[in-house]
Amino acid sequence: QVQLQQSGPGLVRPSQTLSLTCAISGDSVSSNSAAWNWIRQSPSRGLEWLGRTYCRSTCYNDYAVSVKSRITISPDTSKNQFSLQLNSVTPEDTAVYYCARGYYDSSGLRRGMDVWGRGTTVTVSS
Amino acid sequence: DIVMTQSPLSLPVTPGEPASISCRSSQSLLHSNGYNYLDWYLQKPGQSPQLLIYLGSDRASGVPDRFSGSGSGTDFTLKITRVEAEDVGVYYCMQGLQTPRAFGQGTRLDIK
Repeated sequence: QVQLQQSGPGLVRPSQTLSLTCAISGDSVSSNSAAWNWIRQSPSRGLEWLGRTYCRSTCYNDYAVSVKSRITISPDTSKNQFSLQLNSVTPEDTAVYYCARGYYDSSGLRRGMDVWGRGTTVTVSS
Repeated sequence: DIVMTQSPLSLPVTPGEPASISCRSSQSLLHSNGYNYLDWYLQKPGQSPQLLIYLGSDRASGVPDRFSGSGSGTDFTLKITRVEAEDVGVYYCMQGLQTPRAFGQGTRLDIK
């Protein structure tokens, strides 16, 4: 079965870069039936979708406008994982960060985000 | 961007009784292929969200048949025929039609 294992620091200093990794087992980051998402959750913002990467003949990204100038989501095919980098963080970026798979069936129908990581609590503080 | 609005935000339910949650989107979620790109998720206490319903009405693998999704366009409903204690948590709808994806505010279901 597909599993997502998140890793990364729980404390980031203001103005620094938040970096998280999501390791995939049971599927491939280059699968043409999946999109790999980052979502965060905070009391003030609720569940907030940050962006995704997905690979078809080439790999693509989509990002939320709210973080577009600061975010990079990258697939790593050699390690079968994908990563989140969020630059110039402030305390407003304090949240639980989740990675999740968006699944598409053989006819291309989107079947929801069916696998989630366990979440990483990230605090932005000096 | 599409905005998702849920109601109610809090839902106390007696075990064995039905429950219903409404979700409204600011734009139609009906794709040209005839499917509604609306998901429902449940976040149980201390856990990650889990997929309940996709394409508006299709149950995800392992989801009990007491859960059902309905609706089309901009108005959707999640129904639980008979609430059980394990159904406690926060329910979210999410649009999957376009990016950026958007979640509703969440509906907290607890047991009376």
